Amino acid sequence: AQKVTQAQTEISVVEKEDVTLDCVYETRDTTYYLFWYKQPPSGELVFLIRRNSFDEQNEISGRYSWNFQKSTSSFNFTITASQVVDSAVYFCALTVNAGNNRKLIWGLGTSLAVNP
Amino acid sequence: GAGVSQTPSNKVTEKGKYVELRCDPISGHTALYWYRQSLGQGPEFLIYFQGTGAADDSGLPNDRFFAVRPEGSVSTLKIQRTERGDSAVYLCASSSQTGLHTQYFGPGTRLTVL
Repeated sequence: AQKVTQAQTEISVVEKEDVTLDCVYETRDTTYYLFWYKQPPSGELVFLIRRNSFDEQNEISGRYSWNFQKSTSSFNFTITASQVVDSAVYFCALTVNAGNNRKLIWGLGTSLAVNP
Repeated sequence: GAGVSQTPSNKVTEKGKYVELRCDPISGHTALYWYRQSLGQGPEFLIYFQGTGAADDSGLPNDRFFAVRPEGSVSTLKIQRTERGDSAVYLCASSSQTGLHTQYFGPGTRLTVL
């Protein structure tokens, strides 16, 4: 069975602080994909990144960076110099590449509040 | 281009009524997904279409829930004899043939069953 755990329910930071959102996953499949989505107060889920299980390179996109470590089954997300507009709920999700399976298994989300 | 659209944005109904929720995917996307999200939770998978057929409907909670995609584009999620526990945000997503594992979401329909 697959599972995604986001242990941090809520995080509150002051603008310009760096913040890391943790994601730990469980799967027995060797081929899988990990995702991060942002859900701002408006409610629409916004795709941020996809990483496949064979690519452990870390990625940086502007103020966002992701650290994928298969050894610890973690896919953590760091926001550098946070801004008020980063306030949202962030979800980590997992899908495995098996047959017709396309369902995303989601964590419970981490609610990030960036205060001015 | 246009993203995934869903109508209505809000639906209030009474217990026992029938409702239909509509999803219009990104143009050219062959795969379409329905999820529902309760407050404070992550989305919960309901069903996945590849073209016109349901490739995986394992997430539909019971036989009151049904979804169709007759022409391989727009999809309708149908809920019969609604119950208060069906209240949630129903999310639709779509993905392309070449990027099947990346799902792009619509704004959702907030369903409230009184």
